[in-house]
Amino acid sequence: NAGVTQTPKFRVLKTGQSMTLLCAQDMNHEYMYWYRQDPGMGLRLIHYSVGEGTTAKGEVPDGYNVSRLKKQNFLLGLESAAPSQTSVYFCASRTGENTEAFFGQGTRLTVV
Amino acid sequence: GDSVTQMEGPVTLSEEAFLTINCTYTATGYPSLFWYVQYPGEGLQLLLKATKADDKGSNKGFEATYRKETTSFHLEKGSVQVSDSAVYFCASMNTGFQKLVFGTGTRLLVSP
Repeated sequence: NAGVTQTPKFRVLKTGQSMTLLCAQDMNHEYMYWYRQDPGMGLRLIHYSVGEGTTAKGEVPDGYNVSRLKKQNFLLGLESAAPSQTSVYFCASRTGENTEAFFGQGTRLTVV
Repeated sequence: GDSVTQMEGPVTLSEEAFLTINCTYTATGYPSLFWYVQYPGEGLQLLLKATKADDKGSNKGFEATYRKETTSFHLEKGSVQVSDSAVYFCASMNTGFQKLVFGTGTRLLVSP
């Protein structure tokens, strides 16, 4: 049982490049979330999904796009990376009312 | 919008000292409240939760009580250990929209 798996774990991008972060969960969870973690800022919600085919904006959605074509996968895209997007990105998933969220191990992204 | 405010850290304590980490929230309606813990290099793990007013969540000696009148969910432990050193995050979930938001985190350092 892998839980929540994020790929890649590390990545260095040049300004203007694009990339996609993949989050995969094998727990049949309905809800999935993407966060970024920055020093002194805690975890800030980028986008989230309440089910296959749905997405919603979080606190800091600008510069990111997401897709949830399959229930088990939640993709986070950066179309044109900027140094301000240097961060650690965490994916989480959960199911049902009042249930805990399970987190991936994080992706450390550096944009130079 | 929904938000969570935590006391700034780091909190530095000696082993066996009493711990309090303050957390207050703003929300529409009645959110569910959580405390998560993050150890170095890892994702977040659920520590405890409370889903309605006056509920007390507890786990591993940690406790927090959902106080609707003061919109608070303070984390306490009677006697901390070196192994409790980590970053602690308070979180609120809007049960209508399933939106899960976190505070900025509080680093706890416990010395022998």
